Amino acid sequence: NAGVMQNPRHLVRRRGQEARLRCSPMKGHSHVYWYRQLPEEGLKFMVYLQKENIIDESGMPKERFSAEFPKEGPSILRIQQVVRGDSAAYFCASSPGPPRGTEAFFGQGTRLTVV
Amino acid sequence: DAKTTQPNSMESNEEEPVHLPCNHSTISGTDYIHWYRQLPSQGPEYVIHGLTSNVNNRMASLAIAEDRKSSTLILHRATLRDAAVYYCILRDTSDTSGTYKYIFGTGTRLKVLA
Repeated sequence: NAGVMQNPRHLVRRRGQEARLRCSPMKGHSHVYWYRQLPEEGLKFMVYLQKENIIDESGMPKERFSAEFPKEGPSILRIQQVVRGDSAAYFCASSPGPPRGTEAFFGQGTRLTVV
Repeated sequence: DAKTTQPNSMESNEEEPVHLPCNHSTISGTDYIHWYRQLPSQGPEYVIHGLTSNVNNRMASLAIAEDRKSSTLILHRATLRDAAVYYCILRDTSDTSGTYKYIFGTGTRLKVLA
C-alpha cells in the first residue's frame, strides 16, 4: 500500500508564476489536509478537503491560494503569482475519515523555492 | 492555538531510554493524544496515539497520566535515527466543525549522542 505521494518534491518558480502542488492520498483515504512549513518553523494548517468539498480553509491565505480535491485524481494546491514569502515546504496528509482516533499519514512534501 | 506544552529540546545517549514529556492541562474527554515525529527534510511520521490507557507499538510506548493532563512518549532504546522533532498533538474527535485537524506546536527537538 503506497503512502501519500506528493509531487513534485522540489519546485522552483520565478516571482509572479503559478505553482501547482499535487497530493495523491493513500488508497481508501478520502480526506486530505494541507500544511505549510516555513524554514525552521512548525507546521501550519492550511486547508482540509474531502472529495469535491472544502471542509475547512481557515488557514488559507485570503488571496492567491486555492485548493481542490476532485472526484478523480489528486488533490491540488495552487498558488498564483508566487512571491518570495511563499517559499516553504508544503505537506499534505490523508486519513480515511473522522472515526474516533484515526491517524493521518503525511507525504514527503513539496519544497517550493521562489526566485 | 496549540493545546500542548513540550520542552524545546532534549538530549539522550544512544542505546538509552528517552522520556519525552507533554503537558495538556486543558484536554477534554474526547481528545486523543497523538505523537508524530519529523526527521530532517522529511514529512511528519506517525508514532503513536492513545486516549486513556497506556499504549505500546513497535516504535514507542505512550504513558498517559491518570488525570490525562500529561503524557510521556517513551523510546526504549534511542538510536541515531531517532534524532528528530517530536510533536505531541491533541485531536478532538468531537470537533463540531468536522475538521479533526492537527494543530502542531513547536515540538521537542531530540538530539541523540553517539
